[in-house]
Amino acid sequence: EDQVTQSPEALRLQEGESSSLNCSYTVSGLRGLFWYRQDPGKGPEFLFTLYSAGEEKEKERLKATLTKKESFLHITAPKPEDSATYLCAVQAVEKETSYDKVIFGPGTSLSVIP
Amino acid sequence: GAVVSQHPSWVICKSGTSVKIECRSLDFQATTMFWYRQFPKQSLMLMATSNEGSKATYEQGVEKDKFLINHASLTLSTLTVTSAHPEDSSFYICSARGVFGQPQHFGDGTRLSIL
Repeated sequence: EDQVTQSPEALRLQEGESSSLNCSYTVSGLRGLFWYRQDPGKGPEFLFTLYSAGEEKEKERLKATLTKKESFLHITAPKPEDSATYLCAVQAVEKETSYDKVIFGPGTSLSVIP
Repeated sequence: GAVVSQHPSWVICKSGTSVKIECRSLDFQATTMFWYRQFPKQSLMLMATSNEGSKATYEQGVEKDKFLINHASLTLSTLTVTSAHPEDSSFYICSARGVFGQPQHFGDGTRLSIL
């Protein structure tokens, strides 16, 4: 069964304390992996798309990497404004039906303490 | 960047009322639009997927007659919650995507409260 998991469920960091969030997936026919940031009461904000293993994308203090089984979102020297829930989503195509689907992970809630 | 506008952002109404939520892609053509429901501290739950000019595809367990979706143009989709009841109270979020493989871009959600 296609599945996307994220760990940890929640992460509390001191300002400046770098860390990584994990997104693990088991899907057939991967077409892309997306990272989003969601603030409370808002819709998710798009951050990155990764299409193939080995690919990396960077934006300010965030860097996303992709392997064949997982993706990491590295946060370098985080600031309090980086506090949010980070969601990953996997786009895949079912082999039998060619049905296109996007599966969201449950998210990691990040809190950065001043 | 791609902008998706969702309206209204907040609505309170009486039980039995029907509520329409609009989702517009402002600067790109949305071949596909998605409607999600999100409960507090939980992830997104996909309700339905709609392609412009076609009938929406509903996820298992989502009542088609309860949640009416229309995607009449490449920039507008609407979700109508018919005869809403308190259990329909939730945070509803739409997203829009251009061609396959591109990321979804989300609206800011609609907080629906049914009294």
